[in-house]
Amino acid sequence: RKEVEQDPGPFNVPEGATVAFNCTYSNSASQSFFWYRQDCRKEPKLLMSVYSSGNEDGRFTAQLNRASQYISLLIRDSKLSDSATYLCVVNIFGGGADGLTFGKGTHLIIQP
Amino acid sequence: DTAVSQTPKYLVTQMGNDKSIKCEQNLGHDTMYWYKQDSKKFLKIMFSYNNKELIINETVPNRFSPKSPDKAHLNLHINSLELGDSAVYFCASSRSMGTQYFGPGTRLLVL
Repeated sequence: RKEVEQDPGPFNVPEGATVAFNCTYSNSASQSFFWYRQDCRKEPKLLMSVYSSGNEDGRFTAQLNRASQYISLLIRDSKLSDSATYLCVVNIFGGGADGLTFGKGTHLIIQP
Repeated sequence: DTAVSQTPKYLVTQMGNDKSIKCEQNLGHDTMYWYKQDSKKFLKIMFSYNNKELIINETVPNRFSPKSPDKAHLNLHINSLELGDSAVYFCASSRSMGTQYFGPGTRLLVL
């Protein structure tokens, strides 16, 4: 079983729509959670951390369900510039190099 | 002003050669990493280096050897390059196991 699973997409969404995607992780020892964004031929950049209580940053909302080992990202009023690959990341403290695990990413295309 | 920098940006070389990629961070972080992103875009940790302690991912061939002359630098040396080593290699840094900041990547092509 893959450690962090995401639907690779692509998700084709019209501009202005709301889009949600999810990820599941297999290691219950995971301690911290993030969404990263990666544009084509660029490095991954932190979009937001994900907290147990859920958190919002402008048009972006992240949720974490520890019981189900499930993380979500919601993007409201999507913009053309939101087109990118979104990487779900979990971090296991004390796990050494293996504690840093990325999903394969979900490819999002916002269409005009 | 670049927080995490890597050189070179592109590297094209022949099979069997030895090459190095350099990484530097000016964020004052104590942990640095090397990742490999293959043609399927899967980003996978290779090494992390925290306060002079190297944590090795055992799936990485021993042809890959990281070297950290100081906290701000983590270089990657690759011996006897193989076709399958072609990928984008990203360096990253963080405070302990916190948020990671990535370098722009080194695109390696082995012919």
